[in-house]
Amino acid sequence: KAGVTQTPRYLIKTRGQQVTLSCSPISGHRSVSWYQQTPGQGLQFLFEYFSETQRNKGNFPGRFSGRQFSNSRSEMNVSTLELGDSALYLCASTVGGGANTQYFGPGTRLTVL
Amino acid sequence: KQEVTQIPAALSVPEGENLVLNCSFTDSAIYNLQWFRQDPGKGLTSLLLIQSSQREQTSGRLNASLDKSSGRSTLYIAASQPGDSATYLCALLMLYNFNKFYFGSGTKLNVKP
Repeated sequence: KAGVTQTPRYLIKTRGQQVTLSCSPISGHRSVSWYQQTPGQGLQFLFEYFSETQRNKGNFPGRFSGRQFSNSRSEMNVSTLELGDSALYLCASTVGGGANTQYFGPGTRLTVL
Repeated sequence: KQEVTQIPAALSVPEGENLVLNCSFTDSAIYNLQWFRQDPGKGLTSLLLIQSSQREQTSGRLNASLDKSSGRSTLYIAASQPGDSATYLCALLMLYNFNKFYFGSGTKLNVKP
């Protein structure tokens, strides 16, 4: 069974640009969560989608948005990039919600110059 | 708001030593607690999951305990090996929100050959 995949794995952008990250969950998993990991703040929850609906949202500005498609694949978009957005972005999938074990992807390393 | 603390932030031990990693939390209304391992630049791998009603879980050389009344969990690693070198994170799901992990900041473990 294939694991959670994230594309691209590495990304370099400049301030003011926008970026879209993709996450494909494990087959059969309907919940996808996104996290930002930085050395200073650790792992912070961005949002969670289940069956194409956002169920939870963390404390991030509106520049961070996401969506989920009917095949459960999810995308995360960050507009007007800032230097502080440089981070490892991780997505996790689970069957129906966090009560089950969550499986994490390898992450997308975003660098904003 | 749940606050999760992991002590120590870093630990260096010689191979073969038994060790304990600590995770403390402020809100005991947890649904479950998971211990994850993260290798440099990689995603998270789930090691053990303890449900709120359980006291401990074991997998091979790993044993995790949970004491909700004192707001603590420990991860015990027996006979440590260089391959155990990684960052270990604890994460909690709350009874009032199954879909958002609260992560500790992690303990970076280095096992010296």
